[in-house]
Amino acid sequence: SQQGEEDPQALSIQEGENATMNCSYKTSINNLQWYRQNSGRGLVHLILIRSNEREKHSGRLRVTLDTSKKSSSLLITASRAADTASYFCATESPAGNKLTFGGGTRVLVKP
Amino acid sequence: ETGVTQTPRHLVMGMTNKKSLKCEQHLGHNAMYWYKQSAKKPLELMFVYSLEERVENNSVPSRFSPECPNSSHLFLHLHTLQPEDSALYLCASSQDDSRLEAFFGQGTRLTVV
Repeated sequence: SQQGEEDPQALSIQEGENATMNCSYKTSINNLQWYRQNSGRGLVHLILIRSNEREKHSGRLRVTLDTSKKSSSLLITASRAADTASYFCATESPAGNKLTFGGGTRVLVKP
Repeated sequence: ETGVTQTPRHLVMGMTNKKSLKCEQHLGHNAMYWYKQSAKKPLELMFVYSLEERVENNSVPSRFSPECPNSSHLFLHLHTLQPEDSALYLCASSQDDSRLEAFFGQGTRLTVV
């Protein structure tokens, strides 16, 4: 079974609203990363949070990590239509050299 | 552009054809990856190369054959594929250290007919 699972699978919001999505994983990790994918294109790295970090910010993005619950959240504040994409979490195992992706959350931001 | 280039962007091939996907990275990374992305399924890691040596093969059928001639280039040779192999194939690269941020190419959309 997959390491990371995103929730919800799909999210539809109005421009200006915040979008929150969650990721749960099963095994210990070295770090957790969030990626964005526009339809049919490659993934773009957004933010990385290490296992000893609890929160990280990058522009309108806020990521939290709770290793006791094996979960992470990605918050996009003041969403824009251009934020419409699929968002994936990925975990790196302590052994390194391998990223395992979840199924993704499809986000639709309506203008 | 992410610095990782994949060609072709689209490929249609018959089940008896032989074709190759190409990936090139200009980032000086020493690890490269092939992922398969099918509809409604998580991204699947297929192969990992580190310093031009294959370090992982995730039970991928032998009709997929990777090749890494140097740290900048990665190929995926395809032969005798099945329709269920139709997917988006993504190449990625990273610097092989503890901070594993992957840079992805735009992918090759493969259709097997």
